[in-house]
Amino acid sequence: GAVVSQHPSWVICKSGTSVKIECRSLDFQATTMFWYRQFPKQSLMLMATSNEGSKATYEQGVEKDKFLINHASLTLSTLTVTSAHPEDSSFYICSAPGTSGRESYEQYFGPGTRLTVT
Amino acid sequence: GDSVTQMEGPVTLSEEAFLTINCTYTATGYPSLFWYVQYPGEGLQLLLKATKADDKGSNKGFEATYRKETTSFHLEKGSVQVSDSAVYFCALSGAGSGGYQKVTFGTGTKLQVIP
Repeated sequence: GAVVSQHPSWVICKSGTSVKIECRSLDFQATTMFWYRQFPKQSLMLMATSNEGSKATYEQGVEKDKFLINHASLTLSTLTVTSAHPEDSSFYICSAPGTSGRESYEQYFGPGTRLTVT
Repeated sequence: GDSVTQMEGPVTLSEEAFLTINCTYTATGYPSLFWYVQYPGEGLQLLLKATKADDKGSNKGFEATYRKETTSFHLEKGSVQVSDSAVYFCALSGAGSGGYQKVTFGTGTKLQVIP
């Protein structure tokens, strides 16, 4: 099946620095990728939709300047958390829809990146 | 908008007990329904899915039936094992803007199976 990878799997950074998280579709092309945030013991919250070659679409309440998304190729989307603060500490997960052709697409999820801001 | 409601956990069961995790949804059109599982420290894995009414998804002894009349997709397993301990998310995939399929998740139900 389709595989989505994320890098790094775990990152610790100091407050005020920026962190980049990569999401790659390994064996398929993804013109769209999704970024989620998961707080401890809570569900996944969709942050934004990453579109290859165009601007990302952010969900209501998500700061565009805080969470920069770049989808530079058909297999790579990056999420940069700028000027990170402790409240940005979370588990970030990306996903990509699989092949089309059916009424509904299956989403393939990356393993997640745990960000800890000290 | 679309929404998914699932029973709150945690659910604690003894090994070999019967499992039911309730899930209901609200959506326009005809969404696909999913159950994802998240083991401790790991990402989400698709457990099973159903794409139309009356479809039954099944995998690893788990099953769920897409009930349009009751807008439900309850997860069941006849005999749970300790290795089934995880968080289970019910989700639906519906139309988003731009034509892509947007996934809406329930809040997750933590299952703990004790020997």
